[in-house]
Amino acid sequence: DGGITQSPKYLFRKEGQNVTLSCEQNLNHDAMYWYRQDPGQGLRLIYYSQIVNDFQKGDIAEGYSVSREKKESFPLTVTSAQKNPTAFYLCASSPTDSNQPQHFGDGTRLSIL
Amino acid sequence: GQNIDQPTEMTATEGAIVQINCTYQTSGFNGLFWYQQHAGEAPTFLSYNVLDGLEEKGRFSSFLSRSKGYSYLLLKELQMKDSASYLCAVRDLTGRRALTFGSGTRLQVQP
Repeated sequence: DGGITQSPKYLFRKEGQNVTLSCEQNLNHDAMYWYRQDPGQGLRLIYYSQIVNDFQKGDIAEGYSVSREKKESFPLTVTSAQKNPTAFYLCASSPTDSNQPQHFGDGTRLSIL
Repeated sequence: GQNIDQPTEMTATEGAIVQINCTYQTSGFNGLFWYQQHAGEAPTFLSYNVLDGLEEKGRFSSFLSRSKGYSYLLLKELQMKDSASYLCAVRDLTGRRALTFGSGTRLQVQP
């Protein structure tokens, strides 16, 4: 079955540490996105990529970095510069047709040790 | 920029009908999506509106008025499993295809 796989499901970060969240999709979608969700709030866009080897900052990109070396993969690194990283991180993908919805992975919950 | 407003919480009774409203302000409009999200899980797609009017899909319907910047999600014959958050999201006319989400409406269905 096609879908989006995020790993790990739970992740703990130590002070000053960078951590990387994985996102892989086999839906053959061109566009991929990373969102952050805080308790009781909606999703906020961190980064997005519409094509391989290209990505753009979203609304809250500071303290995060991404890469898009393959169509299927869009990993997100939470750097030590992100001072409040505790949140639920969701990866999504969509076709280039704007009428099509975004499909989401099951998310990664990141906490600080 | 964009601004999306939804009620924070709603309560309804099993078997009843509930309407969840969403108002938005955007510099350019290119479609509105409704997603359902159970606690700790990923959002799942419910409906899409880009033209004015009602879209019906089983127990769920969604309405859009572009002139009023207004949409609603209608859930009929409520079931206990419908207890979840419902997210309204708008796509604008900028080059990015990402969505701007409202904070979500937490619906509690009671017996």
